[in-house]
Amino acid sequence: SAVISQKPSRDICQRGTSLTIQCQVDSQVTMMFWYRQQPGQSLTLIATANQGSEATYESGFVIDKFPISRPNLTFSTLTVSNMSPEDSSIYLCSLSVGDYGYTFGSGTRLTVV
Amino acid sequence: GQQVMQIPQYQHVQEGEDFTTYCNSSTTLSNIQWYKQRPGGHPVFLIQLVKSGEVKKQKRLTFQFGEAKKNSSLHITATQTTDVGTYFCAGIVSGTYKYIFGTGTRLKVLA
Repeated sequence: SAVISQKPSRDICQRGTSLTIQCQVDSQVTMMFWYRQQPGQSLTLIATANQGSEATYESGFVIDKFPISRPNLTFSTLTVSNMSPEDSSIYLCSLSVGDYGYTFGSGTRLTVV
Repeated sequence: GQQVMQIPQYQHVQEGEDFTTYCNSSTTLSNIQWYKQRPGGHPVFLIQLVKSGEVKKQKRLTFQFGEAKKNSSLHITATQTTDVGTYFCAGIVSGTYKYIFGTGTRLKVLA
């Protein structure tokens, strides 16, 4: 199955700054998904990223705050903009493997101070 | 909106004891998938169930999908310290493409 390389694995950022998270897949995939996992919580879908079109955001998430790029079928980035401490979470990219569920990147543990 | 609740939220067991987590959806699901997330790790897919009443086994793990396709369970027999982690169910809401995760059950195994 596909392997996702996600970076950075963790970062500590100042409030008001932005962080871009990258995910590289070792095969071509149509749809990639970005999730947020707040400390001790479940996973919440931020947006779905299709190559060649704008990302589709879930309720409560907006493009200005979480811009996503999907320049080709193997790569995607998520930017967390104008960060505040409430953005401290684990951010995960993923892709669907059909009957074998979702494969996740290793996650980016973000702490905003 | 659609919710998938898991109980218990936390469970501490002595090594060798059995463990069960229950997954309850407010709506019918097309399928149910189970994941394990080790501390500090990312979710890893365990299994998928599709049919009403389906039961699948993976070594010491038994997964069940309810007859109404609104609930599921994961049972671990004779837990080991390697079973430590958070177990999530997830599924597609019937009639949609919406995929939602359960609230998770955090398992701690005491040696």
